[in-house]
Amino acid sequence: NAGVTQTPKFQVLKTGQSMTLQCAQDMNHEYMSWYRQDPGMGLRLIHYSVGAGITDQGEVPNGYNVSRSTTEDFPLRLLSAAPSQTSVYFCASSYSSGVGGELFFGEGSRLTVL
Amino acid sequence: GESVGLHLPTLSVQEGDNSIINCAYSNSASDYFIWYKQESGKGPQFIIDIRSNMDKRQGQRVTVLLNKTVKHLSLQIAATQPGDSAVYFCAENINDYKLSFGAGTTVTVRA
Repeated sequence: NAGVTQTPKFQVLKTGQSMTLQCAQDMNHEYMSWYRQDPGMGLRLIHYSVGAGITDQGEVPNGYNVSRSTTEDFPLRLLSAAPSQTSVYFCASSYSSGVGGELFFGEGSRLTVL
Repeated sequence: GESVGLHLPTLSVQEGDNSIINCAYSNSASDYFIWYKQESGKGPQFIIDIRSNMDKRQGQRVTVLLNKTVKHLSLQIAATQPGDSAVYFCAENINDYKLSFGAGTTVTVRA
């Protein structure tokens, strides 16, 4: 049972480049979300999804796109990377449709934008 | 600004002692609170949660206390062990789908 799997674990981009962070879970969870973690700021919600075909914005959605075509996958797209997007990104999922249940986090993807 | 915050960014504790990690929140409408533990290089892991209709909840070596009057949350770890060294985050629900995390407290256990 792999849980929540994120790829890649590390990535370096140049300003203006685009990329996709992949997230997959094998627990049949309906709720999935993306957070970014910056020093001294805890985790901030970027986007979330309560089921296939349904996504919504979190606290810091600008510069990011998401889609949820299947229950298992929830990719995060950076359209035109900026140095301010240098961060560690975490994908999380939950068996419940909201935050009433335990969130399971992936190991993180560390992104550096030059 | 952040609605959830921790009183101290760091905490150093002697192995075997009890640890207390504090958290203040500002949203009086929040009805669900969670503590997470994050070890170096890993994602956060759920420790324990509590709903607003409770004052106290106990787990294995951990206790969460909720004081709604002063909007304060604490995590107590009994007999702290080296494996407890990590960053601890409190979080509150903004609504059914969003959690707001505090900045975290780094706990270091001294041998």
